[in-house]
Amino acid sequence: KQEVTQIPAALSVPEGENLVLNCSFTDSAIYNLQWFRQDPGKGLTSLLLIQSSQREQTSGRLNASLDKSSGRSTLYIAASQPGDSATYLCAASLYTDKLIFGTGTRLQVFP
Amino acid sequence: DTAVSQTPKYLVTQMGNDKSIKCEQNLGHDTMYWYKQDSKKFLKIMFSYNNKELIINETVPNRFSPKSPDKAHLNLHINSLELGDSAVYFCASSLMQGEMDEQFFGPGTRLTVL
Repeated sequence: KQEVTQIPAALSVPEGENLVLNCSFTDSAIYNLQWFRQDPGKGLTSLLLIQSSQREQTSGRLNASLDKSSGRSTLYIAASQPGDSATYLCAASLYTDKLIFGTGTRLQVFP
Repeated sequence: DTAVSQTPKYLVTQMGNDKSIKCEQNLGHDTMYWYKQDSKKFLKIMFSYNNKELIINETVPNRFSPKSPDKAHLNLHINSLELGDSAVYFCASSLMQGEMDEQFFGPGTRLTVL
């Protein structure tokens, strides 16, 4: 049974810091791994998708890596800004295309 | 130009009532999903439909019945609502492209059962 966990559960940092959010999964037989952002009271916004055959994906200040053999994915946020404050969710896609979500990391970036 | 939309955004109702949540996507996707986010913010899949056919049912009580009239719509009907059904329900859609598959989510429907 696939389980996805995220560390840390919460993170509070000053503006400008580079951040690392961690996601681990127990079953390496995944199609892909997606990172989402959820603002309070809002839906999920897809940030990055890494296919199982890829090692990393980049979008602006965001970079996500995937290591299937160790069951880990990492989201790097460079030069964090207050607007980055949100909950970040990783989700592993199984062969049926259903997403198994992690527990989330609640990020607060203060000025 | 909303991609995945849900109605209503908020739903407050009494225990025992029957209610429906509607979902529509204009992305041309052939697969749609319902997820539930509980009070601890944990998201879990409930159902998925591909071309109007059920492909995933994650042991959801049969009080929950999804209905897909066409590829662009997946509605969720809930009978005999219970207190534990209070949650945020998210609809999502995708093209089901294997490892390139990316799911897009609606804004959510916050259901409160009193």
